[in-house]
Amino acid sequence: DQQVKQNSPSLSVQEGRISILNCDYTNSMFDYFLWYKKYPAEGPTFLISISSIKDKNEDGRFTVFLNKSAKHLSLHIVPSQPGDSAVYFCAAIVGWRDDKIIFGKGTRLHILP
Amino acid sequence: DTAVSQTPKYLVTQMGNDKSIKCEQNLGHDTMYWYKQDSKKFLKIMFSYNNKELIINETVPNRFSPKSPDKAHLNLHINSLELGDSAVYFCASSPPRNAEEQYFGPGTRLTVT
Repeated sequence: DQQVKQNSPSLSVQEGRISILNCDYTNSMFDYFLWYKKYPAEGPTFLISISSIKDKNEDGRFTVFLNKSAKHLSLHIVPSQPGDSAVYFCAAIVGWRDDKIIFGKGTRLHILP
Repeated sequence: DTAVSQTPKYLVTQMGNDKSIKCEQNLGHDTMYWYKQDSKKFLKIMFSYNNKELIINETVPNRFSPKSPDKAHLNLHINSLELGDSAVYFCASSPPRNAEEQYFGPGTRLTVT
């Protein structure tokens, strides 16, 4: 039973355009949502997070939007750069005391020149 | 000065063998984790330790035993290796009361033949 779903295994975007990565979840108890970026042969790197009490969090070129009623979040990257080509994992966590993070399967982003 | 390191990076072994993967973090974090990334790229938590104490133990076979000699180390020992154990294993750590920030090691690719 996948509680965090990333339905697009891959996505190609032209350099300079906006990249939008989507994520759906089923557990309404999740308190925080996170995005991780992973390059080949490296571990995932924490990118940005959002609390369930917010609907938007912005950090430079990265913005995460949360729609609680739809149980959907998205990561926007503007403008997309070649170094953004990587696998992006959506993840969710229930409460501070539970250290268990549930990851999605990841979406591979290709930035085209 | 790698923050989270794992050794070895690659491990090829035969069925039935016993092997260990080591993890060390120099970030002063209290909590460490082991994740398994399966062939479908899904990251699944296996164990979590806080200050050398086991706090999360997901449903993994008894053949997997984590060992934490001190809070900077969390090693994973696997007995009687099986073909299905082939995967990439990631170690991670997080600062106190901030599980959303997880710092991952580079991963260990285990291949059981």
